Amino acid sequence: EVQLVESGGGLVQPGGSLRLACTTFGFMFKNYEMNWVRQAPGRGLEWLAYISKSGNIIYYTDSVKGRFTISRDDAQDSLYLQMDSLRAEDTAVYFCARQHSDIFTGDSMFDHWGQGSLVAVSS
Amino acid sequence: DIQMTQSPSSLSASIGDSVTITCRASQTIGTFLNWYQQKPGKAPRVLIYGASTLQSGVPSRFSGSGSGTHFILTINSLQPEDSATYYCQQSSSMPPLTFGGGTKVEI
Repeated sequence: EVQLVESGGGLVQPGGSLRLACTTFGFMFKNYEMNWVRQAPGRGLEWLAYISKSGNIIYYTDSVKGRFTISRDDAQDSLYLQMDSLRAEDTAVYFCARQHSDIFTGDSMFDHWGQGSLVAVSS
Repeated sequence: DIQMTQSPSSLSASIGDSVTITCRASQTIGTFLNWYQQKPGKAPRVLIYGASTLQSGVPSRFSGSGSGTHFILTINSLQPEDSATYYCQQSSSMPPLTFGGGTKVEI
């Protein structure tokens, strides 16, 4: 069974740092592109960051560029999100999501998600 | 960036009804459009990918259509468990990947 389990969330002061981890089970982690998506309280979904299978291609949304860093450790079957210079507006539930890409059609989707990890930024 | 606009933002329907949710892209995205369902306190799950392909395990009362900039999610014979928020997402161009604002379906 495919599982993604986030950890590392919590309460942090503005300007502080947190590192989220997404530990995966039940599939060959190294064969998948991965993403982070967040959801502020009562709001919609916001894509944050993408990392390729090799880790060589990384993208961020503008609001976190320069503050957040996505990384992966295939030996640990894990995805990470280092979050620095946190702001109140970063308060959200953070999801890791596996990306399934069809090389023939070009379709891609987030086919498995973690349960989410709550990050609260407040003094 | 490609903007995704969903309508309506919420709707109320009865068991057995059919409902449609519309998603418009700010520029053409072919059929690179996915639909997700999210229930309170849970992670989203993919329902439809490639605008019209039903994800494995998703009931056949869900269907998707459209291409270019205009897309529709249809739920036929609405069931109590379909009460959720639905999001469209474009996978045509990144960064960024973008989601619609969501449509809350109440039954």
